[in-house]
Amino acid sequence: NAGVTQTPKFRILKIGQSMTLQCTQDMNHNYMYWYRQDPGMGLKLIYYSVGAGITDKGEVPNGYNVSRSTTEDFPLRLELAAPSQTSVYFCASRPGVGGLSGYTFGSGTRLTVV
Amino acid sequence: GQQLNQSPQSMFIQEGEDVSMNCTSSSIFNTWLWYKQEPGEGPVLLIALYKAGELTSNGRLTAQFGITRKDSFLNISASIPSDVGIYFCAGRVPQGAQKLVFGQGTRLTINP
Repeated sequence: NAGVTQTPKFRILKIGQSMTLQCTQDMNHNYMYWYRQDPGMGLKLIYYSVGAGITDKGEVPNGYNVSRSTTEDFPLRLELAAPSQTSVYFCASRPGVGGLSGYTFGSGTRLTVV
Repeated sequence: GQQLNQSPQSMFIQEGEDVSMNCTSSSIFNTWLWYKQEPGEGPVLLIALYKAGELTSNGRLTAQFGITRKDSFLNISASIPSDVGIYFCAGRVPQGAQKLVFGQGTRLTINP
């Protein structure tokens, strides 16, 4: 069972570069989320999606973009990387029904912007 | 935005000791969740609480949803080395899409 798969696991970017963090889930979950985790802090919601074609901003969306063209994929785009975006990024998904026990996280992407 | 205050930030205990940590908020949450995170991994759900006053156990773990709906605690009894990790509380935002707000985490270190 693959669950939620994130790639890459690690990445170093230079200031101003762009990149896409990939997230794929094979559980046919409707809801998908992107969180960032800064050192010593909890996770903060960047963007989320309630289904293919539908996305919305979370608590800290500035500097990021997302798209949801399929149920399985929810890529996160950084257009102009800044040092403040150095963080660990987690993608999560959950089914449309069944409560929050089905909330599944990927293993994260550690991004450093220098 | 809504915030959760989790304490303590870190704990250093001996193997076999009991552990207690809690989360408080100025806002009401309809659901409280407790997660454990190990190095290089995403959070893994330990316990979910859906009703005020609810007390739920999962093995040596026990969690309670406070009556005011503004707090929750997690207890771990008879700690073992594999309990090491960071524990996070999370509250579900009452509005749609099941968004979660996370506490800052409690880092648990166990001396064998």
